[in-house]
Amino acid sequence: GQQVMQIPQYQHVQEGEDFTTYCNSSTTLSNIQWYKQRPGGHPVFLIQLVKSGEVKKQKRLTFQFGEAKKNSSLHITATQTTDVGTYFCAGNTGTASKLTFGTGTRLQVTL
Amino acid sequence: EAEVAQSPRYKITEKSQAVAFWCDPISGHATLYWYRQILGQGPELLVQFQDESVVDDSQLPKDRFSAERLKGVDSTLKIQPAELGDSAMYLCATRLEAGTGELFFGEGSRLTVL
Repeated sequence: GQQVMQIPQYQHVQEGEDFTTYCNSSTTLSNIQWYKQRPGGHPVFLIQLVKSGEVKKQKRLTFQFGEAKKNSSLHITATQTTDVGTYFCAGNTGTASKLTFGTGTRLQVTL
Repeated sequence: EAEVAQSPRYKITEKSQAVAFWCDPISGHATLYWYRQILGQGPELLVQFQDESVVDDSQLPKDRFSAERLKGVDSTLKIQPAELGDSAMYLCATRLEAGTGELFFGEGSRLTVL
């Protein structure tokens, strides 16, 4: 079955440092989404990318979808303590629109 | 703001007992998913509904798990009998249409099996 892997599994940064998480799918995706889950909370939608090579920005967050539509990345510039949480990518495949979540990257930010 | 409602929020049960979780989607959301999330891992899809029909239940352990969405609105996920390894957060998520658009998650039902 389809697998979606993320690296790193965990990253600890100091406030103000940059952070990047990478997402890789074993199959070609129709689109990819990113979610953030705060400790003790549920996943909350951040963004959806559809086109090959697409880049989208949300304030300090930059999302990229690979040319082959099998990988994606999320980059956070100048992290803040409010960025703490686990970031998941989720890939949509096939006509059944199955949404498969990645393994997640847990971000810890300290002052 | 419309929300996905789930109940119960917490459930503690002994192994071999039956448990049930309920999900009420945002009005008009045709696609409904049940995910299981073990602590420290990503959500794992158990079953996907499009209206009242099951679209994908390939990852649902059918010997003990069942799910239904009889009128295409609210949904129930049942486990019978529960096993120790079923301890996890059970998340319901819905979206307006299949294939695209954000998932709206409920707060989840945390199951502990003793």
